[in-house]
Amino acid sequence: DAVMTQSPLSLPVTLGQSASISCRSSQSLVHSDGNTYLIWLQQRPGQSPRRLIYKVSNRDSGVPDRFSGSGSGTDFTLKITRVEAEDVGVYYCMQATEWPRTFGQGTKVEI
Amino acid sequence: EVQMWESGGGLGQPGGPLRLSCAASGYTFSQHAINWVRQAPGKGLEWVSLISDNGDATYYADSVRGRFIISRDNSKGTVSLQMNSLRVEDTAVYYCVRSNFVDYWGQGTLVTVSS
Repeated sequence: DAVMTQSPLSLPVTLGQSASISCRSSQSLVHSDGNTYLIWLQQRPGQSPRRLIYKVSNRDSGVPDRFSGSGSGTDFTLKITRVEAEDVGVYYCMQATEWPRTFGQGTKVEI
Repeated sequence: EVQMWESGGGLGQPGGPLRLSCAASGYTFSQHAINWVRQAPGKGLEWVSLISDNGDATYYADSVRGRFIISRDNSKGTVSLQMNSLRVEDTAVYYCVRSNFVDYWGQGTLVTVSS
């Protein structure tokens, strides 16, 4: 199984500042079709998860451009610039390249 | 607008069965795979199972393989998760999630396994 390891697990942030979350996979997430199916999700307190980023760096509709994803192979990063209060929550990376699908442990972002 | 919703959660007995259902609106149901993803109280996300758009392919996490069965009826627009031989550690909120790339999530249904 592809083990997904996130760091840090807790991330205190200051409003208006930037924040970065790392996600590392135990194996390459490059699919045989050439795509890399690395996904970032946001779960606000009391809510269901919401997809933010797919295929490493593609933002979903309605996601502010303050969120950006980057990386390749086994190392990936979610960056939030100009953090706002609504960004508080837990962020998960997930791989959809291999079976079984696996998630990182989650990173709790708090102000 | 795509919406997913789950039903069927509740209290289950250890060793017993429980059946969850997922329905959706806002898109052509038969054109997308469906996942079940669960979240134990205060814990992270765990992928459980996926069924392909036409139902021909199914996948399971090791933790549920042989106990859970995923199925779908595209004529009714539903996906079911038959959970058998329930364990206390199956206690979680179960989310129905559209597509291989988890683009739309339901609100979740709570399953509690306890005697």
